[in-house]
Amino acid sequence: AQKVTQAQTEISVVEKEDVTLDCVYETRDTTYYLFWYKQPPSGELVFLIRRNSFDEQNEISGRYSWNFQKSTSSFNFTITASQVVDSAVYFCALTRRSILTGGGNKLTFGTGTQLKVEL
Amino acid sequence: EADIYQTPRYLVIGTGKKITLECSQTMGHDKMYWYQQDPGMELHLIHYSYGVNSTEKGDLSSESTVSRIRTEHFPLTLESARPSHTSQYLCASSEPFGGAGYTFGSGTRLTVV
Repeated sequence: AQKVTQAQTEISVVEKEDVTLDCVYETRDTTYYLFWYKQPPSGELVFLIRRNSFDEQNEISGRYSWNFQKSTSSFNFTITASQVVDSAVYFCALTRRSILTGGGNKLTFGTGTQLKVEL
Repeated sequence: EADIYQTPRYLVIGTGKKITLECSQTMGHDKMYWYQQDPGMELHLIHYSYGVNSTEKGDLSSESTVSRIRTEHFPLTLESARPSHTSQYLCASSEPFGGAGYTFGSGTRLTVV
């Protein structure tokens, strides 16, 4: 069984602060993908990043960075110099990599972290 | 520009009515999904399909039904809406191996009064 845990229910920061969103996952699969999605108040889910289980190279993209550590089963997400527009719910998700049709590719989501960035 | 479309965006309807939530995608994806998101934010898979004439129940039991007659179309139907069905419903599709992630529609916010 797969499980994604986002222990932080809600985080409030002041604009320009850095903020890290935590994600811990459980899976028995040896090959899998991890994702971060953003859900603004409008409701749609916006894809942010994907990592496969063979790629532990961390990445920086503008104000966003990701820290994938297989040894601790963590996939944390950091926003540098946060802005009010970053206010949203952020979801971490996991799926196995499978060419099989039965049971493969279903995304397992964490419960989400509500990020509020205030002026 | 969205490649997966959900209509209506908002729907308020009376108890007992039959409703169909539409979902269409233009990416040619075989795999499609319906998620239900409750007010507490958690997303639950309620239906999925791996291709035409393939539909499966998801992890969360739902009174809704789905059909997949065409690759691009994956509608969700509630035969008799109840207030407990009030939720946001998100449709998604994915490439074969899941590595590219899901593409989500904008969602339908359903309120049953």
